[in-house]
Amino acid sequence: QQQVKQSPQSLIVQKGGISIINCAYENTAFDYFPWYQQFPGKGPALLIAIRPDVSEKKEGRFTISFNKSAKQFSLHIMDSQPGDSATYFCAASPYTGTASKLTFGTGTRLQVTL
Amino acid sequence: DTGVSQDPRHKITKRGQNVTFRCDPISEHNRLYWYRQTLGQGPEFLTYFQNEAQLEKSRLLSDRFSAERPKGSFSTLEIQRTEQGDSAMYLCASSPQGFGTEAFFGQGTRLTVV
Repeated sequence: QQQVKQSPQSLIVQKGGISIINCAYENTAFDYFPWYQQFPGKGPALLIAIRPDVSEKKEGRFTISFNKSAKQFSLHIMDSQPGDSATYFCAASPYTGTASKLTFGTGTRLQVTL
Repeated sequence: DTGVSQDPRHKITKRGQNVTFRCDPISEHNRLYWYRQTLGQGPEFLTYFQNEAQLEKSRLLSDRFSAERPKGSFSTLEIQRTEQGDSAMYLCASSPQGFGTEAFFGQGTRLTVV
């Protein structure tokens, strides 16, 4: 049972553009929503995370928007750069602030072109 | 390098053989996690240790899988009687205890069962 649905599967954005990745969840027990970036041959690395008591969190060029009533959250990458080309995973956990029992989405392969 | 270290990086084994992977977490991280990632999918949670105690186990962790963390330091994941469906990347992550602590993933062990 896929509890976190992620879209799109792949995304091509021009340099300087905005990349938007969307996720939806079903389990209302989820209380922590991180986004991970993964380069080929590497493990996932935490980018930014949010709890459901806030609707938006921004760190540098990365912003999470969270809609608790719709059970949806999204990642916006502003001024996308070629170095941002990677696979991005949304995730959710019932345990705030830990990597315990994270349920990951299926990933979005982002390609930023020149 | 003081990151999470996993050994070996790659393992090819014949179906039916036993394999063991090792994870060395970041020193002083008392939480350790194992995840499995198949091609084109997000990581799936397998199990979680706090110090030497195994606190959570996913239903994905069949009786052929066993994980240990003696003395709360390094951890091993053993798969007995490997099957072709066990072919995947096995990821280890660690984090310190506490609210909002980030988990750091290792580069993983790529298992191929032939």
